[in-house]
Parts: sequence; structure tokens; C-alpha cells
Amino acid sequence: DVKVTQSSRYLVKRTGEKVFLECVQDMDHENMFWYRQDPGLGLRLIYFSYDVKMKEKGDIPEGYSVSREKKERFSLILESASTNQTSMYLCASSLPPQGWVYGYTFGSGTRLTVV
Amino acid sequence: EDQVTQSPEALRLQEGESSSLNCSYTVSGLRGLFWYRQDPGKGPEFLFTLYSAGEEKEKERLKATLTKKESFLHITAPKPEDSATYLCAVQAGGGADGLTFGKGTHLIIQP
Repeated sequence: DVKVTQSSRYLVKRTGEKVFLECVQDMDHENMFWYRQDPGLGLRLIYFSYDVKMKEKGDIPEGYSVSREKKERFSLILESASTNQTSMYLCASSLPPQGWVYGYTFGSGTRLTVV
Repeated sequence: EDQVTQSPEALRLQEGESSSLNCSYTVSGLRGLFWYRQDPGKGPEFLFTLYSAGEEKEKERLKATLTKKESFLHITAPKPEDSATYLCAVQAGGGADGLTFGKGTHLIIQP
């Protein structure tokens, strides 16, 4: 089974801190994604990447950046954490074009609280 | 702008009571419509992809159908273990690969 592993299940950070959320997949998938999930708003795409060192903005990239130095690893960076970034963060990966057939594989999520 | 609307927001059924969840969408050039299941504290789990109007897919007690404007997830004789949030998502034909999700339907099956 494809595994998408997010390094932390729960994280508490202070306002203004620089925060790194790590995601690793073990199936050589080309595409990787970061979403945030909030009650009443659903999942919203922050950033995605087609390949190493490539990145594309999603729907809500403000306040975030990403890094993909290796194919299996996609990091989400909160440059200066704010309380409105308190959320569940979900990483996903897919293998185009099979991603259409087998879907996107999600990690279990990181619940980030910014205080 | 791509939009996905799911209804109802929440649904409570008795075990064995069949029903349907709705997903209506507005997208420029649909490449695929996805259904996911999400359990509390976990990431979404892939169920189906539908590509064209008239297509149907089944998995155990679940059957997904697609028209040009909406998709239905039919649940036949549900069991308590079918309780979860069901998410619908679309992928548009604009080149970007990300999915646009609806807010989900929270389904509770009572024994």
C-alpha cells in the first residue's frame, strides 16, 4: 500500500514562529499536495508540486511556502505562524495519470494549533 | 471558479435504511469527479473516480453515479461502520492537478 506519512499528528506553536510540516511518500509519486481542512470550509489547496524543485500555488497560498528537494518529500513552511493558521493540514500524493484511476493518497494529517 | 456543493450537510439513518448523498458541481471541463470517505482524525480515503455522464461505479454497499451537473452516492442497506464523512471533489481540465472539494456530508448510521 502507498503510504503518505506526516511527521507530526499534533503540533502547538507560538505566533510568529517559523513552522515546518513534513510529508513523505514511499511510492515514487510525482505529484504531491498540501491542503488545509477547516470546519465549514472543507479542504482547500495550499500548494502542489509536479516534480522535484517545482511548485505551484493553490487556492490559498498566502502565508505559506513549500520545498521539494527530493521526490519523496514535500514540506510546508509557515513563515511566521498566525492564529488563523490553526487548522488540520493534509498532505497527499498521486501518480499521473493513474491518479485519476486510483485517486490521491492522503496522510493522516497534522493538527496545528497556533497560540 | 470551480464549485462543489454537497447535500445534505449531515444525515442520520437507521441501519438498513438506504439513501443518497448529492454532489453538484460547476467546473470548466471536468476531468474527473472523485468520492472519498473520511473517518474522524484520519485523512480522506479514496472510493471512486467518475469521468463521464452516465458512468456508474460500485463498491460493497456504495454506488456512485454521474450526470453533467451532479453526482450521487447511493448507500444501500447501510451498516454502522459506514458512518463517516463523505467528500466529493472535482478535477478541472485547466491543467492544474489539484482537486476542488465540497464540504462533505456527515453520515451517521444508527444500529
